[in-house]
Amino acid sequence: EIVMTQSPPTLSVSPGERATLSCRASQSVSANLAWYQHKPGQTPRLLLYATSTRATGIPARFSGSGSGTEFTLTISNLQSEDFAVYYCQQYNYWPTFGQGTKVEIK
Amino acid sequence: QVQLVESGGDLVKPGGSLRLSCAASGFSFSDYYMSWVRQVPGKGLEWVAYMSNSNGYTNYADSVTDRFTISRDNAQNSLYLHMNSLRADDTAVYYCARNLRGYIVDLWGQGTLVTVSS
Repeated sequence: EIVMTQSPPTLSVSPGERATLSCRASQSVSANLAWYQHKPGQTPRLLLYATSTRATGIPARFSGSGSGTEFTLTISNLQSEDFAVYYCQQYNYWPTFGQGTKVEIK
Repeated sequence: QVQLVESGGDLVKPGGSLRLSCAASGFSFSDYYMSWVRQVPGKGLEWVAYMSNSNGYTNYADSVTDRFTISRDNAQNSLYLHMNSLRADDTAVYYCARNLRGYIVDLWGQGTLVTVSS
């Protein structure tokens, strides 16, 4: 099983600032990496797939980079609606998720 | 409205069985692969099962193989998860999920809670 490790577990950011979330795979997953946003009481939301392709309706302030084992989700100019838990997921093999990074208001 | 609505979650004893249902609406259900993904409260997500749209192909997590069965009825726009020999570590919120392509989910249901306890 591919283990996905996200860091940090919690990230405190002020509105308008940039948030950088990391995701590491236990072995190479090529570019087969997706990111999801999950807010309490709501369904998870697909943000990015294929490392950097934004899903339908996702604003340009969400961007992704990386390949192989190291990946980054960057949220620029954080808005109030962006405070949530973010999960990375590899789908190069049987899919596995990271444990999540909670982005909270500083 | 494009949505997935799960039902069937309940409290069940270890060794028991349960069937979860997912009603799809607002899109052409028969065009999409579908999946079940679960989340232990306060923990991470785990992909449980995956099914093709029409040829019956299925795939399962090792933790549920030979105990869980995913199925669908395209005429009824419905997805199912039949769960047997339930264990305490199957306790989780179970999400119905639409696959964009491969194992990428672009639409999630609200989830249904399954609790396995004596």
